[in-house]
Amino acid sequence: KAGVTQTPRYLIKTRGQQVTLSCSPISGHRSVSWYQQTPGQGLQFLFEYFSETQRNKGNFPGRFSGRQFSNSRSEMNVSTLELGDSALYLCASSLALATSTDTQYFGPGTRLTVL
Amino acid sequence: QKEVEQDPGPLSVPEGAIVSLNCTYSNSAFQYFMWYRQYSRKGPELLMYTYSSGNKEDGRFTAQVDKSSKYISLFIRDSQPSDSATYLCAMSAPGNEKLTFGTGTRLTIIP
Repeated sequence: KAGVTQTPRYLIKTRGQQVTLSCSPISGHRSVSWYQQTPGQGLQFLFEYFSETQRNKGNFPGRFSGRQFSNSRSEMNVSTLELGDSALYLCASSLALATSTDTQYFGPGTRLTVL
Repeated sequence: QKEVEQDPGPLSVPEGAIVSLNCTYSNSAFQYFMWYRQYSRKGPELLMYTYSSGNKEDGRFTAQVDKSSKYISLFIRDSQPSDSATYLCAMSAPGNEKLTFGTGTRLTIIP
């Protein structure tokens, strides 16, 4: 069974630009969560999608948004990029929502550098 | 104060030693406790999953949860160079898929 895939793996942007990252969950998984990982803050939860609906949101500004498609694939968008947005963006998929017994499987991440 | 505190290390131990990794937390709603391992340039992979208090063993790995002290531990026996990675603790509350992570401990096993 293929794991979680994320594209692109590396991305360089300049301040003020916007970026879209993509995540394909494990086949059959319906929940996709996004996390930002930085050396100072560690892994921080961005949001979670289930059946094309955002079900949970972390404490990030509105410049960070996402969506999920009917095939469970998800995209994350960051508008008006700032230097502090440089990070590893990870997505994780799991079978279903509303049970913490479902294991989350992480993708390899997209390394975003903002210049 | 962060909800989950984890000593960032780095931690270096000789091959074959027992490694102890720890996290403390403040949110008493957390019921699910996980340890993830993350190699350089990779996403985190789940190592151990524990519900509520108690111990869980899987091969060379043992996870312990003490909810009364809000303290969790991961022990690695007979440590190997391949165990060199960053270890992240994570926790969640019932009915909430959001994981709250520690900042990770960077571990190096010296051959």
